[in-house]
Amino acid sequence: EIVLTQSPGTLSLSPGERASLSCRASQSVVSGYLAWYQQKPGQAPRLLIYGASTRATGIPDRFSGSGSGTDFTLTISTLEPEDFAVYYCHQYDTSPETFGQGTKVEIK
Amino acid sequence: QVQLQESGPGLMKPSETLSLTCTVSGGSIRGYFWNWIRQPPGQGPQWIGYIYFSGSTDYNRTNYNPSLKSRVTISVDMSKNQFSLKVNSVTAADTAVYYCARGDGANGNDSWGQGTLVTVSS
Repeated sequence: EIVLTQSPGTLSLSPGERASLSCRASQSVVSGYLAWYQQKPGQAPRLLIYGASTRATGIPDRFSGSGSGTDFTLTISTLEPEDFAVYYCHQYDTSPETFGQGTKVEIK
Repeated sequence: QVQLQESGPGLMKPSETLSLTCTVSGGSIRGYFWNWIRQPPGQGPQWIGYIYFSGSTDYNRTNYNPSLKSRVTISVDMSKNQFSLKVNSVTAADTAVYYCARGDGANGNDSWGQGTLVTVSS
């Protein structure tokens, strides 16, 4: 199975700063079927990005995704207070589908 | 807008069979991948499997995570717009929040239920 490794584990930033989250796959995500989700405590994951770089419906344009093959990045251009949460990457290219272990973006 | 709602027991004993149902409202089951995903406390999500139902025929297929395949069954009840998960012989390692989610092919899992916590304890 494809193992997704997210880094860093925790990112401590202030509102207004830029966040860059990494997701590295153990083998190529050939189709580019890589998604990013945001999860807040007690809530279900919320789809942000699919197909590595396409924003889901209603997602603000401060969220962007990039990458291909084995290296993917989620960028939040300017952190808003509501963006402090845990972020997961998810590959749905190869069965079994897998998720990363998450990156927590916390207020510095 | 489609909405998903999980239902099932919150507390179970080891060796029992877990049964969860996801009710889909505001949209059809046809033409999508209907996933079960679980998240143990403090961990990332784990994909359990999906059932896909064709948009135009009665063709359907399932796909399961090999790590759970021997214990898992996913099925659909078209008349009720529901799909279900069964996990046999549960242990404490099956304790998790269980989510149902709609997969839209290339577009990822775009709709999720709120999740239901299942605790396995003697």
